[in-house]
Amino acid sequence: KQEVTQIPAALSVPEGENLVLNCSFTDSAIYNLQWFRQDPGKGLTSLLLIQSSQREQTSGRLNASLDKSSGRSTLYIAASQPGDSATYLCAAPMDSSYKLIFGSGTRLLVRP
Amino acid sequence: EAGVVQSPRYKIIEKKQPVAFWCNPISGHNTLYWYLQNLGQGPELLIRYENEEAVDDSQLPKDRFSAERLKGVDSTLKIQPAELGDSAVYLCASSLEGHGGYEQFFGPGTRLTVL
Repeated sequence: KQEVTQIPAALSVPEGENLVLNCSFTDSAIYNLQWFRQDPGKGLTSLLLIQSSQREQTSGRLNASLDKSSGRSTLYIAASQPGDSATYLCAAPMDSSYKLIFGSGTRLLVRP
Repeated sequence: EAGVVQSPRYKIIEKKQPVAFWCNPISGHNTLYWYLQNLGQGPELLIRYENEEAVDDSQLPKDRFSAERLKGVDSTLKIQPAELGDSAVYLCASSLEGHGGYEQFFGPGTRLTVL
């Protein structure tokens, strides 16, 4: 059974700081791993999708890495801005069904 | 390109009343998902459709929840009767088989409050 854990549950940083969000999963036989952003009262916005054959993906100031052997993924945010404040969720599909198993998220606050 | 559309955005009902949520996926996406999200938690899958067929409904409480996806496009999720514990956000997502490793795109959700 796939379990996804995100640490820390909450993070507060000053503007401009580089930061790393962590995601761990128990079943390394994942097909891909997806990072989402969720603003309060909103749906989920897909940020990055890493295929199981990839090591990392980049989009602007975001870089996500995937290490299947250790069951870990990280989301790196460079030069954080107040607009980055949101909850960040990672999710991995359970077997070939593509049923996403989500972590509980990391609530990020970037202080001006 | 329009994203996933859901309506209503908010719904407040009394317990034991019926309620329905509607979802229109991204055009061309053959796979549609309904998720439930409780406060402070990640979403949990309720049901997944491939075209018109429900291929995974193992987490759907079938005594009170039902869903349909007629013609393989729009979908409706219904609760009858609603209970206090059903208060949550109901999210719809869609993906295109074989594209981008099944990257899922989510709608804004329907926030349900049962009084």
